[in-house]
Amino acid sequence: DGGITQSPKYLFRKEGQNVTLSCEQNLNHDAMYWYRQDPGQGLRLIYYSQIVNDFQKGDIAEGYSVSREKKESFPLTVTSAQKNPTAFYLCASSTPGLAGGSTDTQYFGPGTRLTVL
Amino acid sequence: AQSVTQLDSQVPVFEEAPVELRCNYSSSVSVYLFWYVQYPNQGLQLLLKYLSGSTLVESINGFEAEFNKSQTSFHLRKPSVHISDTAEYFCAVINPGGYNKLIFGAGTRLAVHP
Repeated sequence: DGGITQSPKYLFRKEGQNVTLSCEQNLNHDAMYWYRQDPGQGLRLIYYSQIVNDFQKGDIAEGYSVSREKKESFPLTVTSAQKNPTAFYLCASSTPGLAGGSTDTQYFGPGTRLTVL
Repeated sequence: AQSVTQLDSQVPVFEEAPVELRCNYSSSVSVYLFWYVQYPNQGLQLLLKYLSGSTLVESINGFEAEFNKSQTSFHLRKPSVHISDTAEYFCAVINPGGYNKLIFGAGTRLAVHP
């Protein structure tokens, strides 16, 4: 089955720890995205990548880092610099790459719920 | 900057009743519009989208939305809801010519009661 997988489904972090959230897609999509969802606030873009070995900051990138070494994978690291990391994190992908100006649909993974203890 | 306003944070409704979830956007340029649905503890699924052409778009499960450029709205409607429609619904907009950045509304929680 084609789709996007995120792991783990639930993640607990102690204060001061870095944690990495996994996102893998087998849709052959060029572009991948990370969003953060908080209750009553919709989704906010953290980072996005339009092509392998390239990524850009979104609206709330502080305290997060990403890498894009493979087309299929776009892991997100939540660092200790992120002051309020408890949230639901969603990964998405879509077909456009650097051609830009796309109307293609973004497909979402099932999400990872991160809780800071 | 673009923004999306979903006018109701929660909409309670009885089963088989009609429902409308309201969405307004602010943009001085052309936009593409989307409705996504999120069931509890799951990711988002595309419900329907407007790119061009007919201003009325339909989904496979009975929802429809109408693009109204003069009122900058993209309200979602269903003539008869089911218990299984209980979920959170997000309206989103893309500014064509960009890098495919979705701007989301805050969401509307639809609660269908028997």
